[in-house]
Amino acid sequence: GAVVSQHPSRVICKSGTSVKIECRSLDFQATTMFWYRQFPKQSLMLMATSNEGSKATYEQGVEKDKFLINHASLTLSTLTVTSAHPEDSSFYICSARPPGLNSGNTIYFGEGSWLTVV
Amino acid sequence: SQKIEQNSEALNIQEGKTATLTCNYTNYSPAYLQWYRQDPGRGPVFLLLIRENEKEKRKERLKVTFDTTLKQSLFHITASQPADSATYLCALISGGYNKLIFGAGTRLAVHP
Repeated sequence: GAVVSQHPSRVICKSGTSVKIECRSLDFQATTMFWYRQFPKQSLMLMATSNEGSKATYEQGVEKDKFLINHASLTLSTLTVTSAHPEDSSFYICSARPPGLNSGNTIYFGEGSWLTVV
Repeated sequence: SQKIEQNSEALNIQEGKTATLTCNYTNYSPAYLQWYRQDPGRGPVFLLLIRENEKEKRKERLKVTFDTTLKQSLFHITASQPADSATYLCALISGGYNKLIFGAGTRLAVHP
């Protein structure tokens, strides 16, 4: 079964509103989670690294005030798309790596969340 | 600049043949490389990891090679089946947080 869960799997929101996506690690504690977005037929683009208990690290070109990330506990990270616009419509995916000294540990991905802004 | 390149054109093959997908990278020195499968509308699923000191890795019908001189990895699926049809992504670890950076992926279609 899934070890990383995302919710909701699909969401439609109106322009100007905010929407929150949750990412949970089910079988392990994750001090670090990653958020990606993917446009149709394109690759996953890393948006930010979510760190438990501290601020997220954003990739170049990603607006941190637009995409708020909160890593409230060792099993939960949330991504909030604020003041959403139609161009924010995309597939958002989170991932987490089980802890351990081996940096090659398998990374598990959530099933993704489809956001449509109308 | 750093790049991870995969053939953007779809690969169409006949059932039973071997599919070979290519991943080339520049300006990276990865300790290991990973391959994922992604079905439409789903998150990626981990398939194989190969380390820089490993030339080849196998798992059932899958085989991955890693040439750090050529900066290239090849991903093979032998005895391909229509169920193998999906997009296959290669990925490298980069940065202090061990961020996973993906190539664009290659779409594989296996025809009966």
